[in-house]
Amino acid sequence: EDQVTQSPEALRLQEGESSSLNCSYTVSGLRGLFWYRQDPGKGPEFLFTLYSAGEEKEKERLKATLTKKESFLHITAPKPEDSATYLCAVHSMDSNYQLIWGAGTKLIIKP
Amino acid sequence: DAGVIQSPRHEVTEMGQEVTLRCKPISGHDYLFWYRQTMMRGLELLIYFNNNVPIDDSGMPEDRFSAKMPNASFSTLKIQPSEPRDSAVYFCASSPPEGISGNTIYFGEGSWLTVV
Repeated sequence: EDQVTQSPEALRLQEGESSSLNCSYTVSGLRGLFWYRQDPGKGPEFLFTLYSAGEEKEKERLKATLTKKESFLHITAPKPEDSATYLCAVHSMDSNYQLIWGAGTKLIIKP
Repeated sequence: DAGVIQSPRHEVTEMGQEVTLRCKPISGHDYLFWYRQTMMRGLELLIYFNNNVPIDDSGMPEDRFSAKMPNASFSTLKIQPSEPRDSAVYFCASSPPEGISGNTIYFGEGSWLTVV
């Protein structure tokens, strides 16, 4: 069964304290892995798409990486405005448009 | 572009009442999705349309839920009769013709539904 698991559920960091969020997935074949950011009271906002193992994408303080079993979202020297819930979703070869979503990691950056 | 527009943003209704949620997708996007988000189950795809035609409604929880897309710029999600367990945030999203393999899904800000 296709599955996506995110860890940790919540992460509290001090401003400037770098860390990583994990997204582990099990799918029969990967078409793509997506990272989204969701602020309270808002819809998810697209961050990155990764297609194959070894691929990396960067945007400001965020870098997403992908292996055959998991993806990491690395946050370097985070700021309070990076506080949000980060969602991971996987598009498998078995589905047309059904993304499999993780439960998310709630990130809190304290000043 | 204004993005995906949803209304109402907040709705509080009594059990048994009909609820209609509305969505205007991004112009030029061929795909439209209705999602539901709860703390317990996260994001769930309810139904999606391609060129105004419903393609997959296997996520619609019960016959009380129905969705329509009469034209390329408007869609509705209706719950009749509503129940307290329908309380959730309902998101509409749209995607360009290239699809999510080459692009992304753009979400609206959601409709927060509370059924009392």
